[in-house]
Amino acid sequence: GQQVMQIPQYQHVQEGEDFTTYCNSSTTLSNIQWYKQRPGGHPVFLIQLVKSGEVKKQKRLTFQFGEAKKNSSLHITATQTTDVGTYFCAATYNFNKFYFGSGTKLNVKP
Amino acid sequence: DSGVTQTPKHLITATGQRVTLRCSPRSGDLSVYWYQQSLDQGLQFLIQYYNGEERAKGNILERFSAQQFPDLHSELNLSSLELGDSALYFCASSGRGTLSSYNEQFFGPGTRLTVL
Repeated sequence: GQQVMQIPQYQHVQEGEDFTTYCNSSTTLSNIQWYKQRPGGHPVFLIQLVKSGEVKKQKRLTFQFGEAKKNSSLHITATQTTDVGTYFCAATYNFNKFYFGSGTKLNVKP
Repeated sequence: DSGVTQTPKHLITATGQRVTLRCSPRSGDLSVYWYQQSLDQGLQFLIQYYNGEERAKGNILERFSAQQFPDLHSELNLSSLELGDSALYFCASSGRGTLSSYNEQFFGPGTRLTVL
């Protein structure tokens, strides 16, 4: 079935280092959303990408959607301890069901 | 605060039992989604309702069922519970007045179910 693969599963970085998580699909996506879940919390919407090749920035976060709309990435520059949490991508196929990636758990050492 | 409420916050029950989880969406949101998150796992999409009608189905077991009522609140019923059903169950809502996959989802705080 359709699914989206997200890597890596875990990432441990030193504060100030960069971080990237990737989502990949074998089929074309309608759109992709990114969510962040803090430890003990619920997922919170970060951004949505719709257009091929789209790049969006939110302060230290950069989101990209591939030209073929089959992959996406979230890059954090100069991580801070407040970035700790699990980052999920949520892919939509044919404007219908949502498929969440398995998430990347980010740990930032101060 | 996302505006989505879920009750109860915690639920402890025994195998073979049946429970009902409740979700109230954000004011005006017509879509409600249910997700299961096992310990340190990803979010497993279960089912979506839009304005009272089932809209999309994910990996929902036959022992589980859901419905959305005219006031738009939703309930997830889990029956013949097994140990493996222990998880965090999230409800999310979206789409004030619209049905669109482009709408961001607002998640509730979740219900933690423990089956002993």
